[in-house]
Amino acid sequence: DIQMTQSPSSLSASVGDRVTISCRASQSISSYLHWYQHKPGKAPQLLIYSASNLQSGVPSRFSGSGSGTDFTLTISSLQPEDFATYYCQQSYSTPFTFGPGTKVDIK
Amino acid sequence: EVQLVESGGGLVQPGGSLRLSCAASGFTFSSKWMHWVRQAPGKGLVWVSRINSDGSIITYADSVKGRFTISRDNAKNTLYLEMNSLRVEDTAVYYCARDRVASTYDYWGQGTLVTVSS
Repeated sequence: DIQMTQSPSSLSASVGDRVTISCRASQSISSYLHWYQHKPGKAPQLLIYSASNLQSGVPSRFSGSGSGTDFTLTISSLQPEDFATYYCQQSYSTPFTFGPGTKVDIK
Repeated sequence: EVQLVESGGGLVQPGGSLRLSCAASGFTFSSKWMHWVRQAPGKGLVWVSRINSDGSIITYADSVKGRFTISRDNAKNTLYLEMNSLRVEDTAVYYCARDRVASTYDYWGQGTLVTVSS
């Protein structure tokens, strides 16, 4: 199975901050890496697919980069509605594994 | 508007069974792969199973293989997850999710809670 790790596991930030979350795969997954935002009691939301493609309707302050084993999600200017947990997910091979999540909360 | 609505969760004893349903609307259900993903309390997201558009290709996570069965009824626009021999560690919110392409999930339901406890 492909193991996904994320760093940091949590972070505190202020509105307007630039936030970067890292995701690493235990083997190369090309660009089969996707990012989701999840708020308590809500359905997860797809933000970025295939490493760097912005899902329709997602604000442009979200961006993704990387390929192979190392990936990054960047929020250019954190907004109040962005406080949530962020997960990366690989779809290179089954089982499709998620990272453990990065919780972003208010500083 | 795309909607996925799960139902069928509840409290069940270890060793028991439960069937989850996911009613889909707002898109051509019969053309999309579908998945189940779960989240145990306080834990992260875990992929459970997938099924292709006509039900001929099915894959499971090892943790549920032999106990869970995914299926679909395209005439009823509904996805199912039959869960047998339930264990305490199966306790989770179960989400159905639509496959945008290559197992990326662009729409999710709100989830249904399954609690396995004596």
